[in-house]
Amino acid sequence: GAVVSQHPSRVICKSGTSVKIECRSLDFQATTMFWYRQFPKQSLMLMATSNEGSKATYEQGVEKDKFLINHASLTLSTLTVTSAHPEDSSFYICSASRGGVGEKLFFGSGTQLSVL
Amino acid sequence: GESVGLHLPTLSVQEGDNSIINCAYSNSASDYFIWYKQESGKGPQFIIDIRSNMDKRQGQRVTVLLNKTVKHLSLQIAATQPGDSAVYFCAEIYNAGGTSYGKLTFGQGTILTVHP
Repeated sequence: GAVVSQHPSRVICKSGTSVKIECRSLDFQATTMFWYRQFPKQSLMLMATSNEGSKATYEQGVEKDKFLINHASLTLSTLTVTSAHPEDSSFYICSASRGGVGEKLFFGSGTQLSVL
Repeated sequence: GESVGLHLPTLSVQEGDNSIINCAYSNSASDYFIWYKQESGKGPQFIIDIRSNMDKRQGQRVTVLLNKTVKHLSLQIAATQPGDSAVYFCAEIYNAGGTSYGKLTFGQGTILTVHP
C-alpha cells in the first residue's frame, strides 16, 4: 500500500535554531500535501496546504515566515520551523493523497519537535 | 467552529465489550467524514469513512453512524480488544470532491482504553 514517510521522527533543538522536517510519498506522486500540528492531548490542526511548484496556502493564524514550506517535487514536501522557540514544541504531521480522500489519504508518522 | 484546544475525553471499556465513541462536527455543509485511530507518537490511521448522503456504514468490527440533523457522528467498535486502545478522532471535509479534498477539520478526539 501507499506510504508516506516523515523524517526525522524526533528532534531536539536549541531556541533560535531552524529545523527542517521532510515528508515523502514513497510510491505515489502527490501534487498536494498537508501539514498539521498537534499539541499534547489535543486534536490535529491544519497548518498549511503544500502545493507542488507553487506557494503553500496557510491557514489563518499560521505565520508563513515562521513555517516555511517547500514542495519542490511530486514526492517531497518540507516544513522548516525557523528560529524555533519553546512554544513551537509540538507534534508535526504531514499527509498526502493518492488522488482522493478516505483510504487514499495517508499520514506520515509524525515528528516530535522539542525546543529547549 | 474549529477544533479547539481542549483536553481529550476518555472512555474505558472491558475487553469484549462494544465501544461507542461520539463526535460533534462543526460544519453543516461538510460532505465527507472520516474516523481515525491514533496511537501514541504516530500519525492517524484510517478506520472508516462515510459520505453525507449516507447515515450508516459498516466495516470490519466498526460501524459509523451519521446524524446530520444534530451534526453528530459516532463510531461503534464491536468486541473491543486491547489493541484498540488509542485516541480516536473524527474528521470532516467540506467539498471533498473539490480542491479541498485533503483539508481535514479534526474533532476533539477520545482516548479509548481497553482493559483485559
